[in-house]
Amino acid sequence: AQTVTQSQPEMSVQEAETVTLSCTYDTSENNYYLFWYKQPPSRQMILVIRQEAYKQQNATENRFSVNFQKAAKSFSLKISDSQLGDTAMYFCAFMKRDGANSKLTFGKGITLSVRP
Amino acid sequence: NAGVMQNPRHLVRRRGQEARLRCSPMKGHSHVYWYRQLPEEGLKFMVYLQKENIIDESGMPKERFSAEFPKEGPSILRIQQVVRGDSAAYFCASSPRTSGANVLTFGAGSRLTVL
Repeated sequence: AQTVTQSQPEMSVQEAETVTLSCTYDTSENNYYLFWYKQPPSRQMILVIRQEAYKQQNATENRFSVNFQKAAKSFSLKISDSQLGDTAMYFCAFMKRDGANSKLTFGKGITLSVRP
Repeated sequence: NAGVMQNPRHLVRRRGQEARLRCSPMKGHSHVYWYRQLPEEGLKFMVYLQKENIIDESGMPKERFSAEFPKEGPSILRIQQVVRGDSAAYFCASSPRTSGANVLTFGAGSRLTVL
């Protein structure tokens, strides 16, 4: 079974600054995917970024990038130039490569507040 | 192109009643997943369905909970004889029929409150 740990319950960052959200996971699988999802107050789950474990290159999506350390089983999210709209809960998630089964295992989440 | 549609958005039930939550996947998606989110927690997987088939129900409670995804119509998550501990947000997600890193598209969730 897989586990995903987000040990920081909440963080705060000044608008326009950079913040890093931590995530570690545990698995015996070799082929898997990692995700960060954002859940704003509307509760809608929005995909932020995805990383394929077999790719060494860290994924990047505009202001969002990850630091994927496979040996350390670490998958942190860096948000650059933070904006007020980034205020939300952020969930790290794991998906085993299992045919068409796209079951996700989520961490408990971290609440990010962006201060004006 | 409508996303994943869930209804009702909010549902209030008294203990012992039944709750039915509906999910219509994105157009072209034939795989549906249900997740439950308790207050201050992450989402927990419940069940994975394809049309007329339950593929993985490893996260479903053994009693009172059932799910279906019929050939026609939305997927239904049914909770019988609800208890206060069932109060949560229930999210549906869908994905297309391909293998690999399917990105799940989530609905806005249905919030169940049991009085």
